[in-house]
Amino acid sequence: QVQLQQWGAGLLKPSETLSLTCAVYGGSFSGYYWSWIRQPPGKGLEWIGEINHSGSTNYNPSLKSRVTISVDTSKNQFSLKLSSVTAADTAVYYCARRVVDIVATTRRPSYYFDYWGQGTLVTVSS
Amino acid sequence: EIVLTQSPGTLSLSPGERATLSCRASQSVSSSYLAWYQQKPGQAPRLLIYGASSRATGIPDRFSGSGSGTDFTLTISRLEPEDFAVYYCQQYGSSPQYTFGQGTKLEIK
Repeated sequence: QVQLQQWGAGLLKPSETLSLTCAVYGGSFSGYYWSWIRQPPGKGLEWIGEINHSGSTNYNPSLKSRVTISVDTSKNQFSLKLSSVTAADTAVYYCARRVVDIVATTRRPSYYFDYWGQGTLVTVSS
Repeated sequence: EIVLTQSPGTLSLSPGERATLSCRASQSVSSSYLAWYQQKPGQAPRLLIYGASSRATGIPDRFSGSGSGTDFTLTISRLEPEDFAVYYCQQYGSSPQYTFGQGTKLEIK
């Protein structure tokens, strides 16, 4: 059974750097992309970015200038850094496994998130 | 960027009733790129449907997805008490990028 366990600082001041890490237990680490997704209190979900085992990354253009996602394959872990945080970055941050799968009925690839971490509330406040 | 708009914002129904949730895309989306999630308070989202109509592992068959182009639907045939939650659609776009709808809250009437 795949499990994602995440941790990191929950209270930051404006202009500081958010840092979170997600450890993957069970299943293959190298066969997937690993994502970060956030959810402001009472709001919807926003994809931040993703990384694979070889370090190839994709970022949300709206956050790209402030985001760095890195991977440590020796520990099956990946990490998120978000610089220059403001109150607008207050959210629950989730790590998730992103899958590409072939849909049986269409024979076309599908992209979705099948396993998620427990979430970490990060609050930015002076 | 493709924008997903979900409707209604809130749906009030009783257990045993049928729920129909809508997800409309601002431009055509390949059906294989559309997924649905369920989220309960204090929990991470749970994958329900991928490829617009394929149920994820362990998802009861009362959940079904359909649609193509810009209009997609999640249907829950007979609501169980544990189905009351917030539901999100999600699409994969080129770049790559992943976007979510704003959610539909399914509440007990």
